[in-house]
Amino acid sequence: GDSVTQMEGPVTLSEEAFLTINCTYTATGYPSLFWYVQYPGEGLQLLLKATKADDKGSNKGFEATYRKETTSFHLEKGSVQVSDSAVYFCALSDAGTASKLTFGTGTRLQVTL
Amino acid sequence: KAGVTQTPRYLIKTRGQQVTLSCSPISGHRSVSWYQQTPGQGLQFLFEYFSETQRNKGNFPGRFSGRQFSNSRSEMNVSTLELGDSALYLCASRLGTSTNPFTDTQYFGPGTRLTVL
Repeated sequence: GDSVTQMEGPVTLSEEAFLTINCTYTATGYPSLFWYVQYPGEGLQLLLKATKADDKGSNKGFEATYRKETTSFHLEKGSVQVSDSAVYFCALSDAGTASKLTFGTGTRLQVTL
Repeated sequence: KAGVTQTPRYLIKTRGQQVTLSCSPISGHRSVSWYQQTPGQGLQFLFEYFSETQRNKGNFPGRFSGRQFSNSRSEMNVSTLELGDSALYLCASRLGTSTNPFTDTQYFGPGTRLTVL
C-alpha cells in the first residue's frame, strides 16, 4: 500500500538557518504530494502541493520539488524564522482517491533565536 | 470565507461511553473526511462522506461511524469508548466533485481533542 517516510525529528535550528526536511514515498499510482503544517494546538494547514514530476510547490518561502526518479518531495526553506516552529507533515493522495491522504509521521521543527 | 469548524474543541469521556463530534465544512464543500491523530499511529484516515453517503472508508472498527446531513455538515460517532480512542480528531472538507487531489484539495479544521479516562 501507499506510505510516506519522513526524517525523524525534532529538528532544531537557529533563526535564518537553512531548512531541509526529507520525505520519500511509496505509491502504486502517480500521486499528488503535499506538505501540511500543524502549529501548537491547531489543525493542519496546507503549505504547498505538487502533482507531477519536476513540479515545484512553493509558499511562504518554503519549496518542495516532486522527484519521481527518487520518489521524494523534500521540504526546504532558505532562512527559517522562530514563527516557523511547528510540526510538518508530508502526505500523498493517489489520483482517483482525493478523499484519502496518507501521511508521514511528522517532523517537529524548533527554531531558536 | 469561513474555514472548517469543529465542535466541541475538547471532550472528556470515560470508558464505555459514546461520543459525537461535529464538523461544518467550508461553504460550498460537499465532501467531509475524518482523521484520527495519535502519537503512536500518527494521522489515519477514518472515512469520507459526500452527499450524505459514505464514499470511502479506512481501517477502523465498526465502533467508529459517521453521517452527513443535507447541508454537508458531518458528525462522527464513537461507541463503547476505549482508552486507545484518546486522540485528536480532525475533519477536512473539499468540493468533492473531482477525484483529482491536486485540484480538489482537503482543508482541515482545528480538531476535537478527545480524552478517554
